[in-house]
Amino acid sequence: EAQVTQNPRYLITVTGKKLTVTCSQNMNHEYMSWYRQDPGLGLRQIYYSMNVEVTDKGDVPEGYKVSRKEKRNFPLILESPSPNQTSLYFCASRGSGNNEQFFGPGTRLTVL
Amino acid sequence: AQKVTQAQTEISVVEKEDVTLDCVYETRDTTYYLFWYKQPPSGELVFLIRRNSFDEQNEISGRYSWNFQKSTSSFNFTITASQVVDSAVYFCALSDLPYSQGAQKLVFGQGTRLTINP
Repeated sequence: EAQVTQNPRYLITVTGKKLTVTCSQNMNHEYMSWYRQDPGLGLRQIYYSMNVEVTDKGDVPEGYKVSRKEKRNFPLILESPSPNQTSLYFCASRGSGNNEQFFGPGTRLTVL
Repeated sequence: AQKVTQAQTEISVVEKEDVTLDCVYETRDTTYYLFWYKQPPSGELVFLIRRNSFDEQNEISGRYSWNFQKSTSSFNFTITASQVVDSAVYFCALSDLPYSQGAQKLVFGQGTRLTINP
């Protein structure tokens, strides 16, 4: 089954404790993105990747890092989480020439 | 810059009523895609429709229909004979073309929370 998976689905952590949210897709897609969803703001892009070792900032990259060492994986790293990063995070992937983005199930992160 | 506005923050109707969710967009691109996604209470994003800027034909899928009007930069979504299962947050989104040239982002509206009461 074609899908995007994220782990963990739920996470409660404390300020300053480094964490990684994993994202994996099994569709051999070139393009992957991370979004965060906040009330009243919709979804906003954090980072995206056009292929292995090619990443770039989206609209709200501050406080986040990403890596793309393998085509299928695109982890989101919070080196020193802060309460304003409490949000619902979505990973998405898309193949070249195809405009439909496949979204993961979401990761609800709470930073205390 | 691209922008999507969903002016209706929340809508509440009684089951079987028709309801229209508004979406207005801004873009300088001549080619672009518009999308609608549904987010049920379980939280996942469910793709509903994609429409490219060259195709202004309205689309109907069962009880769902979409009205794309380039002249008013709108892409409205109507649910006919609403049901309780339609209760969700609905997002309108915009992306530019062509992806092959690096366009990567979906720009989302703020979302409209739709509640269908029995």
